[in-house]
Amino acid sequence: AQSVAQPEDQVNVAEGNPLTVKCTYSVSGNPYLFWYVQYPNRGLQFLLKYITGDNLVKGSYGFEAEFNKSQTSFHLKKPSALVSDSALYFCAVRLMDTGRRALTFGSGTRLQVQP
Amino acid sequence: DTGVSQNPRHKITKRGQNVTFRCDPISEHNRLYWYRQTLGQGPEFLTYFQNEAQLEKSRLLSDRFSAERPKGSFSTLEIQRTEQGDSAMYLCASSGGLAGGMDNEQFFGPGTRLTVL
Repeated sequence: AQSVAQPEDQVNVAEGNPLTVKCTYSVSGNPYLFWYVQYPNRGLQFLLKYITGDNLVKGSYGFEAEFNKSQTSFHLKKPSALVSDSALYFCAVRLMDTGRRALTFGSGTRLQVQP
Repeated sequence: DTGVSQNPRHKITKRGQNVTFRCDPISEHNRLYWYRQTLGQGPEFLTYFQNEAQLEKSRLLSDRFSAERPKGSFSTLEIQRTEQGDSAMYLCASSGGLAGGMDNEQFFGPGTRLTVL
């Protein structure tokens, strides 16, 4: 079975400060990892993914994430937060090297950026 | 460039009624997925199609739920004899059909919000 944990329901950060949204995962094999963002009344938008290669992955809107295999983590980061980054963020995982394509999502972290 | 579209966006129904939702994926995508999202939770996988073949089904997909993708393009999700516990956002996503097989990310539609009274 695969699972994702997002330990923080909400993260508050001041505009201009760096932000981190935490994600840890559990899979019985090698993972594909994803971050999605959800704005009110809109669908999930893809931010970035880790497949193979460099552990630091860069994505949309200045976000990046670091894959850490030993800690089974895939934390989302941004050097300087914007008020417009305020949204709900979801981490997701699926197994590599299988025919299964179902994504398993975490419960989400609400990011609130204060001006 | 049109994304994934879903209709209707909102559906209110009475318990026991049947409902059907439609999803139109991104045109070149051959894979289509259905997820369900309840308030305060992340999306939960329901089922997945590659072209017209339904390749994966979650245990969440009870006998009252059925999904089809008859021509490998749009898909429908039907819920029979709806229950109040079916109230949720139903999300559709698509992927695939890109050169090199780099189709790992799924692109989501805006969802259909179902309310069962």
